[in-house]
Amino acid sequence: GIQVEQSPPDLILQEGANSTLRCNFSDSVNNLQWFHQNPWGQLINLFYIPSGTKQNGRLSATTVATERYSLLYISSSQTTDSGVYFCAVEPGTGNQFYFGTGTSLTVIP
Amino acid sequence: KAGVTQTPRYLIKTRGQQVTLSCSPISGHRSVSWYQQTPGQGLQFLFEYFSETQRNKGNFPGRFSGRQFSNSRSEMNVSTLELGDSALYLCASSLDGSWNTEAFFGQGTRLTVV
Repeated sequence: GIQVEQSPPDLILQEGANSTLRCNFSDSVNNLQWFHQNPWGQLINLFYIPSGTKQNGRLSATTVATERYSLLYISSSQTTDSGVYFCAVEPGTGNQFYFGTGTSLTVIP
Repeated sequence: KAGVTQTPRYLIKTRGQQVTLSCSPISGHRSVSWYQQTPGQGLQFLFEYFSETQRNKGNFPGRFSGRQFSNSRSEMNVSTLELGDSALYLCASSLDGSWNTEAFFGQGTRLTVV
């Protein structure tokens, strides 16, 4: 199946700092989504972004499908941004997501 | 509108028992998928249902099964539970079967096998 790599695996930031999370995938995809997993385990939708750029408040994302990567930008980070961020892709072969191993973000006050 | 609802939220079972988990998708969504999350293996696909038909299955033993009802609600069943089945089980729903539309996840069911 398709390989999904996320970097960095862990990130510690001071409140107010900016960060960039990266997701590389090994094949073309139909669907790419970014999620934030809250402390209770739920995957919260951040972006549905198979290509192009989107912004939502302090967060934005860019997917360059032809080069097989996506970036999630977090600006002016807050402690509530802490958690694990997952990139998930669906290659159009079986209606299933392939997940990266996540980036664990800790924002300290 | 209501999101994806999974019940129960927490379960403790004994080895050898069986368990049934439930997922109600967003109203109007017809595709439901199940995932298992463990610290060692991460998030892994179990199976996907669309219009009561299983269209895809992940690499899990036959002890893991599922079904979907005419109202799109889905259940998954694990028989003869093993300690390694302890995990967070997540359900996702999508509007149609194409999966080039946004998918939404429920809060999950945390299963502990003792």
